[in-house]
Amino acid sequence: ETGVTQTPRHLVMGMTNKKSLKCEQHLGHNAMYWYKQSAKKPLELMFVYSLEERVENNSVPSRFSPECPNSSHLFLHLHTLQPEDSALYLCASGRGVGIKDEQFFGPGTRLTVL
Amino acid sequence: AQSVTQLGSHVSVSEGALVLLRCNYSSSVPPYLFWYVQYPNQGLQLLLKYTSAATLVKGINGFEAEFKKSETSFHLTKPSAHMSDAAEYFCAVSGAGGYNKLIFGAGTRLAVHP
Repeated sequence: ETGVTQTPRHLVMGMTNKKSLKCEQHLGHNAMYWYKQSAKKPLELMFVYSLEERVENNSVPSRFSPECPNSSHLFLHLHTLQPEDSALYLCASGRGVGIKDEQFFGPGTRLTVL
Repeated sequence: AQSVTQLGSHVSVSEGALVLLRCNYSSSVPPYLFWYVQYPNQGLQLLLKYTSAATLVKGINGFEAEFKKSETSFHLTKPSAHMSDAAEYFCAVSGAGGYNKLIFGAGTRLAVHP
């Protein structure tokens, strides 16, 4: 149990669908992150939030839209995705973006785009 | 710029044999270094971390890693492999930049055979 939960664990969607991924951390952390993990590629940092403010958008296409309503919750809204967006999406939290320390990861959402 | 190189995308050992997973890093500032493990269909779990204290770091499940500045290395070892160690292992570095950004290596998949 890492204290970071993600729902759903699996998602299959068509290219015209709109769906959202949810992440919740129970660790009292101030920073939250979205990563994309594709087969045979290193983890890609997508977005970073610090105290609900986005501090980095790592050249992510606009079909991915993050939302951080409070420091415990993070969403990733998806629309008009492409098959190459199929991947494992991992959420992580950390004590603070200015603190060099480990990040705590959720179990991920396995996304398949048809 | 920071980077991480993991030599060997696949490593196979016999049960009871030494495990050695290699990680070399590049960093313009004193690095913080991490090893994570990922079991199938799960998120990343922290094994151990180096944060400029002792150069030999002990982690969970009998793993340890040694920080060698002269070699820019942070190799992960375990004296005796167990079947349950079969997983993917990721080395990561944090350091430069205004916030805690982890740069991950491509990962090494460890297989343990009887």
